[in-house]
Formats: sequence, structure tokens, C-alpha cells
Amino acid sequence: KQEVTQIPAALSVPEGENLVLNCSFTDSAIYNLQWFRQDPGKGLTSLLLIQSSQREQTSGRLNASLDKSSGRSTLYIAASQPGDSATYLCAVNSNSGYALNFGKGTSLLVTP
Amino acid sequence: GAVVSQHPSRVICKSGTSVKIECRSLDFQATTMFWYRQFPKQSLMLMATSNEGSKATYEQGVEKDKFLINHASLTLSTLTVTSAHPEDSSFYICSAGGAPGETQYFGPGTRLLVL
Repeated sequence: KQEVTQIPAALSVPEGENLVLNCSFTDSAIYNLQWFRQDPGKGLTSLLLIQSSQREQTSGRLNASLDKSSGRSTLYIAASQPGDSATYLCAVNSNSGYALNFGKGTSLLVTP
Repeated sequence: GAVVSQHPSRVICKSGTSVKIECRSLDFQATTMFWYRQFPKQSLMLMATSNEGSKATYEQGVEKDKFLINHASLTLSTLTVTSAHPEDSSFYICSAGGAPGETQYFGPGTRLLVL
């Protein structure tokens, strides 16, 4: 069974810092990996989707990498802003089915 | 991107009542939809896979007689929490997608509070 782990569980940084969120998964047989943002009490916003054949994806200040063989992904956020404060979820779409397996998330607080 | 809606966004009910949550794909057809549940400070956990025109597939530990799923059309799946109890209070989110490996689109979620 696919297990997804996210480190750290929580992170607080001052505005302007670059930061890295980590995600690891136990089964490398995946279709893709997706990063989401979730604001308190809200649904999910898809940030980046990396297919298994890809190494990274970029969108604005966000860059996500994927190392499928080692079961790792990182989400890099450049020049963080208070508006980036949210919980970031990593989710893996395994070959065994196509529901997503989610990590518990990293709760990010960017202080002004 | 594609849009998925959920209704209601929030519901409060008394213990023992049943609650129906709708999930609609607004601009695409979804042969498969997924229902997830999220408890406070926890991640999303898959409850069941809803297949249009056939029975849903439930994850281990999810009672199919308590969480009734109907996927009668390519744009609508419903989740009914029957005889709800306080421990069923949670955030329920649906998603819809096309083929395996393709992007899934999530609804905004429904917060259920059972008193």
C-alpha cells in the first residue's frame, strides 16, 4: 500500500525566504505526483502535476521536482509571501488504482 | 481547469438523521468520481470510488451501508451519510477525473457537523 510522508509537518518563515517542502512515497510505481494547496476550512487547489516521466514542473514562484526511483519530491517556493500561508499537500497517483494517496501536509506560515 | 462543485458546502444535523452531499462535474463528463474524508489535522483519506452506472468500490473500514454512493450520471455522484453520528463529523471532498493518471479535479468540500 502506497504511503506518503511529508516533512516538515509545520514550518514558519519570514517573508521573502526561499523554502523547500519534502514529500516521500514508498512505492515508485506511480502515474504522477501532485502538489495541492489547502486553505483552512477550504477545498484543494492544484498547484503542480508531475507525470512519472518528468523530472520537474514550474509555475511562477513554485518548482516541484520528482525523483521516482528514490520516492521523493520537493516543492520549492521562491521569495515566500504571507499569502503563501496554507497547508501544502502532496498526493501520489499509483499505478494500482487512480485514487490519490495523500500525505498529511505541511502547514506553512509566512510572517510579514 | 475543469470545475467540480459540491452541495451543500456546510451542513449541521442532529444525530440519527441522514445527509446527502452532491458532487457535480460542471464542464466535463466523469465516469469515475472519488469521495474523500478529512478529519481535523489529518490528511485526506479515500472512502470510496464511485463508478457511473455501477456499484461503488469502498475502501477497507468504510461501511457501505452507512455511506451510500450513487453515480447515476456522468456529471453527478451523491454521498448519503445515513443515521449520522457525531463521529461522522468531518470534511468530505469529492474529486472527478478522466482516465487513470490524468489530473483529478476537486470539489470545494462539504463540512458536516453532527450534533
